[in-house]
Formats: sequence, structure tokens, C-alpha cells
Amino acid sequence: GAVVSQHPSWVICKSGTSVKIECRSLDFQATTMFWYRQFPKQSLMLMATSNEGSKATYEQGVEKDKFLINHASLTLSTLTVTSAHPEDSSFYICSARRSQGGQPQHFGDGTRLSIL
Amino acid sequence: GDSVTQMEGPVTLSEEAFLTINCTYTATGYPSLFWYVQYPGEGLQLLLKATKADDKGSNKGFEATYRKETTSFHLEKGSVQVSDSAVYFCALYGGTSYGKLTFGQGTILTVHP
Repeated sequence: GAVVSQHPSWVICKSGTSVKIECRSLDFQATTMFWYRQFPKQSLMLMATSNEGSKATYEQGVEKDKFLINHASLTLSTLTVTSAHPEDSSFYICSARRSQGGQPQHFGDGTRLSIL
Repeated sequence: GDSVTQMEGPVTLSEEAFLTINCTYTATGYPSLFWYVQYPGEGLQLLLKATKADDKGSNKGFEATYRKETTSFHLEKGSVQVSDSAVYFCALYGGTSYGKLTFGQGTILTVHP
């Protein structure tokens, strides 16, 4: 149980386009979801915390207008990278927290974003 | 604030060698401690956890003991396999960064046949 699905797993697009990444909790309700960014050979950097039905809380230094987060239901959160540029290329990982259970967060498999 | 420090990698071992990856933490209160593993191109999977002092977490031959007196949670495995090659992250939950996981920088492990 406690499966988190992230889609797409890999996306390549041209500079200037917007890209949407979906994060779904498949078998539980997630009141809170998290979005991370990971650079090669580095740790995860928390970008924002998303609570269902309310605005996301962004970490310091993360542009909220650049990285739009929507958490409209208890099983779905989306991250939209607006007007993406090559420097936005990275590995993005979402996680979801269930109200009960032994883990604080369950992770998706990540999305590799490449901006040409 | 909370922090987690892992031994720097990369770590390269031969198959069947003994593995230790050191992890120490700084946090107030009584955090829970975790080891996550990330295989190439994938997200994070929980490897093991410990929620209070002296607890030992174990899974797939890996072990780690929550040592409050030394604020450590070192990961060990007696005999590594090629399939253990991955990045390992130590993390804590429940300190001052309420609701968030605090990760170490990750340690790359490569096991050769």
C-alpha cells in the first residue's frame, strides 16, 4: 500500500514552454504533498509543501510564480514549471503524507525534466 | 535548526564486503530517523527506520541503531551485493522542522562483482 504515482517520468521540451507534472496517491488520501528538486549527485531540495484545498507553502528562494503548485483533491497535486528554461532542467520528485502510518512521506519515482 | 550529516562518498566496495555509512544528526526533541535508498533514475524508497533511542531498524540485511548519546544512526550491512549499488540518504523527522523530512546529502554506493 501507500503508492505514489508521478507522471510523466521523463519530459523533453523547448525553452519557453510550460510543463505540468502530476503526483497522485493511488491508495490513500494525502492531505499534504511535497515537491522536491534534485540536482545530479546531490540531495533533495524541498521546494514547497502543498496542502489540499489551500495555497502551497514555498521554501525560501523558490519562485512561486515560476513553479505553480495546485492540490485540488486529496489524491492529486500538480507542479507546473512555467516558461521553462534550460536552468530548470532537473529531477523533480513528489511525496505524499498519509494521516496514519509509519512513514512521514511516500515518494513518487520522479520526473526527469530536460529543457532544450 | 535540524540537520543531518552523512559520510562523504562515493563509497566503492567489492561484493560481500562490509558496509558502514555514517550518519549523525542535530535536532531538538525526539525525532524519528530513517534511511532511504534511491536507485538510478528512481524516487526514494524507505529502507529502514527507528522512532526512539536504542531502536534498531532493519531490512534486506541492512541495520541501523538510533544512538541518542552520540546522535547517530549509522547504516551497516554485513555483505553487500552488486544490486545494493544506489544512493543512500539518512533523514530525520519530527525535530524543529515540523512536518518535513530533513535529509543528509546522500552517499553514493557502488559495489563491484
